Amino acid sequence: DTEVTQTPKHLVMGMTNKKSLKCEQHMGHRAMYWYKQKAKKPPELMFVYSYEKLSINESVPSRFSPECPNSSLLNLHLHALQPEDSALYLCASSQDRGRGQETQYFGPGTRLLVL
Amino acid sequence: AQKITQTQPGMFVQEKEAVTLDCTYDTSDPSYGLFWYKQPSSGEMIFLIYQGSYDQQNATEGRYSLNFQKARKSANLVISASQLGDSAMYFCAMSAPLVGGTSYGKLTFGQGTILTVHP
Repeated sequence: DTEVTQTPKHLVMGMTNKKSLKCEQHMGHRAMYWYKQKAKKPPELMFVYSYEKLSINESVPSRFSPECPNSSLLNLHLHALQPEDSALYLCASSQDRGRGQETQYFGPGTRLLVL
Repeated sequence: AQKITQTQPGMFVQEKEAVTLDCTYDTSDPSYGLFWYKQPSSGEMIFLIYQGSYDQQNATEGRYSLNFQKARKSANLVISASQLGDSAMYFCAMSAPLVGGTSYGKLTFGQGTILTVHP
């Protein structure tokens, strides 16, 4: 079962709000990713967790705060976002066998609108 | 640095015909992976097919095949017998090499090709 779930599907928030995006996988994958995608553009990597530890932070502003409570869950906490942060946020997971070529499986995404 | 180039912003194909989506890549690393993803308007990125740099044969998955020409650094996706449901954005991607002995599987994406299938 190659399923990654994300909630919510849609989110509208004001610039002063605090919200969280949630991602879950039950494939036993040990690497999880957050991507941001603007319309008609490729996804841009934000964060990578490997074995529940933050491995990569692609110079993402601190108003985005990732969290990996366990190997199946990945959260993205949002605070004081800007309108330009409006995008599709995709979560992905993969095995981590040390080869760097494992397939990433993506969730359906959360469409975020910041007003 | 790695780079993926998709030169076709949009492609049109008649239902039941085959279509080829182009992808060229550039890397100095001898070990890499190449992937194709489909993204319908709903937004989900759907994994289609994978080719490893050391694989001797072209990858196939049902109606999808990857035409891997290593010397030309190309990894074109061939969709046979197109269906209306194949209309979507298609991304070619390459995995990053290992960094400091730890694998991160960082993907470099191309700009994508929008495929439209006509009835």
